[in-house]
Amino acid sequence: SQQGEEDPQALSIQEGENATMNCSYKTSINNLQWYRQNSGRGLVHLILIRSNEREKHSGRLRVTLDTSKKSSSLLITASRAADTASYFCATRDAGGTSYGKLTFGQGTILTVHP
Amino acid sequence: SAVISQKPSRDICQRGTSLTIQCQVDSQVTMMFWYRQQPGQSLTLIATANQGSEATYESGFVIDKFPISRPNLTFSTLTVSNMSPEDSSIYLCSVEVLARTGELFFGEGSRLTVL
Repeated sequence: SQQGEEDPQALSIQEGENATMNCSYKTSINNLQWYRQNSGRGLVHLILIRSNEREKHSGRLRVTLDTSKKSSSLLITASRAADTASYFCATRDAGGTSYGKLTFGQGTILTVHP
Repeated sequence: SAVISQKPSRDICQRGTSLTIQCQVDSQVTMMFWYRQQPGQSLTLIATANQGSEATYESGFVIDKFPISRPNLTFSTLTVSNMSPEDSSIYLCSVEVLARTGELFFGEGSRLTVL
């Protein structure tokens, strides 16, 4: 089954508004990461939060992690048209031996209107 | 950080043919990872390419269909064999940024369309 279910599947907002995306997962994790994918391009790593962390900030990004609920959220503040992209959460399983094996969510398509 | 170059960036292929995708990294890395992204879908790991040993395939992916080469620490190829329309996807090469974190750098991807 697919780990890393995200909601909403699509989000449309105006420039300057905040965007919140949620991710749920099923197994115990070592860390959870968020990636951005512009249309037709590769993925860009945004932020990583470890299983023993609850919140992390990077610029306009704020990530929270609730391991008891197996969920995470990504908040983008003061959004810009350039933030328009697909956003994926990805988890690395606890005890996993393949460090590059990430389980990706289905993604949220964010559209920011100027 | 790492700069990853993939070729081809896109291609249109005929059913039954095979295509090899190349991935070049600007620094030496121990492991390289090949992911597939089917249209409108998320990413799925195909295999891990280790230099000097056989690639490690994930469940649902086999070497006969997706043979991988890893001749040195900066280069890898993925071949999609005997293609069918179901193989139409974006294939992405990735490497680990920091050892043992799973934080990945991705190439721009190779978008294959199989007719």
